Amino acid sequence: NAGVTQTPKFRILKIGQSMTLQCTQDMNHNYMYWYRQDPGMGLKLIYYSVGAGITDKGEVPNGYNVSRSTTEDFPLRLELAAPSQTSVYFCASSSSGSYNEQFFGPGTRLTVL
Amino acid sequence: QQQVKQSPQSLIVQKGGIPIINCAYENTAFDYFPWYQQFPGKGPALLIAIRPDVSEKKEGRFTISFNKSAKQFSLHIMDSQPGDSATYFCAATHFGNEKLTFGTGTRLTIIP
Repeated sequence: NAGVTQTPKFRILKIGQSMTLQCTQDMNHNYMYWYRQDPGMGLKLIYYSVGAGITDKGEVPNGYNVSRSTTEDFPLRLELAAPSQTSVYFCASSSSGSYNEQFFGPGTRLTVL
Repeated sequence: QQQVKQSPQSLIVQKGGIPIINCAYENTAFDYFPWYQQFPGKGPALLIAIRPDVSEKKEGRFTISFNKSAKQFSLHIMDSQPGDSATYFCAATHFGNEKLTFGTGTRLTIIP
């Protein structure tokens, strides 16, 4: 049981490049989330999904896109990377929303230069 | 109204001391308050959580105190150890809400 896995662990992008951050969970969780963590700013929700085919915006969705074609996978797409997107990105999953524990992946550290 | 305010931003405590991290919220609909612990280079992990029907919850050396009238809750770590050095996030949500609202985090350092 690997839990939540994220790839890559580290990435450096040039301004204007695009990339996809991968997230996979093997716990058959319906709910999945993408957060970004900036120093001293806590965890900001980018997008979330309550099941395959259903996604919704979080607090800071601009510059990002997501898709959820399967229960297991929830990729995050960055189009036209900007320095403001330099951050650590975490994917999380839970069996349902509200009171259920969120299980986090190890994170992807992204730098945009 | 969705904000959760957390303080202090950082905290240094001697081994054996009792660090206290405070959080305050405004949304009276919040009815579930978890704390997450994050070690360097790792994702956050659930540490302990409380519902507002109790004023205190203990799990090992970790205690949450909850003051519903003041809309505040806090994390206490008894007999703190260097291995407790981590970033701690409080959070809040309510039934039917698919999301957690996180505080800004407290970086705790326990010195030997």
